[in-house]
Amino acid sequence: GDSVTQMEGPVTLSEEAFLTINCTYTATGYPSLFWYVQYPGEGLQLLLKATKADDKGSNKGFEATYRKETTSFHLEKGSVQVSDSAVYFCALSGNKFYFGSGTKLNVKP
Amino acid sequence: NAGVTQTPKFQVLKTGQSMTLQCAQDMNHEYMSWYRQDPGMGLRLIHYSVGAGITDQGEVPNGYNVSRSTTEDFPLRLLSAAPSQTSVYFCASSYSMVPGRYEQYFGPGTRLTVT
Repeated sequence: GDSVTQMEGPVTLSEEAFLTINCTYTATGYPSLFWYVQYPGEGLQLLLKATKADDKGSNKGFEATYRKETTSFHLEKGSVQVSDSAVYFCALSGNKFYFGSGTKLNVKP
Repeated sequence: NAGVTQTPKFQVLKTGQSMTLQCAQDMNHEYMSWYRQDPGMGLRLIHYSVGAGITDQGEVPNGYNVSRSTTEDFPLRLLSAAPSQTSVYFCASSYSMVPGRYEQYFGPGTRLTVT
């Protein structure tokens, strides 16, 4: 069946460091892929999405490219800020929604 | 639009009590779902609905009931609360599950503690 696997956290970075959070998926058909962010005490918010292979989703300096050949959708940001500290979820939408287990990011000043 | 709203924000129950968590959306979305979030376990799907009058079980449905009498509302009922149901509950909605291209919108969550 469909599934999403993302790197375990927590990930701790210094401000202005480069961020990569790995996400791979298994799916039949052609799912859409998403990254959600959850700030402390809040619900999940859509960060970015890609609906077909080679699409690049981007928002707030974050980017992810839908790679069908490697079944990946890694999240990247060139320079993280303390305000980016949150939990990040990779997800896919096929016949159902599937979420990864979440990766906690801590950014230190 | 208010988006997805949930009430209450916090709730404490005693073992054996019942209650209903409310969820409403004003986006005319067909698909609605309930998740629970526990530390280290991500999101787990409890129940979902693809339209008024249609519901189905998710990954962890035991101890919960749902109904969908209108497009807007999707309440979650705890029949007899147990400490294992202590969790944060999120309601979400999506325009459609067909063809599966649409993102979900999440409510702010309900933090439930069962003592």
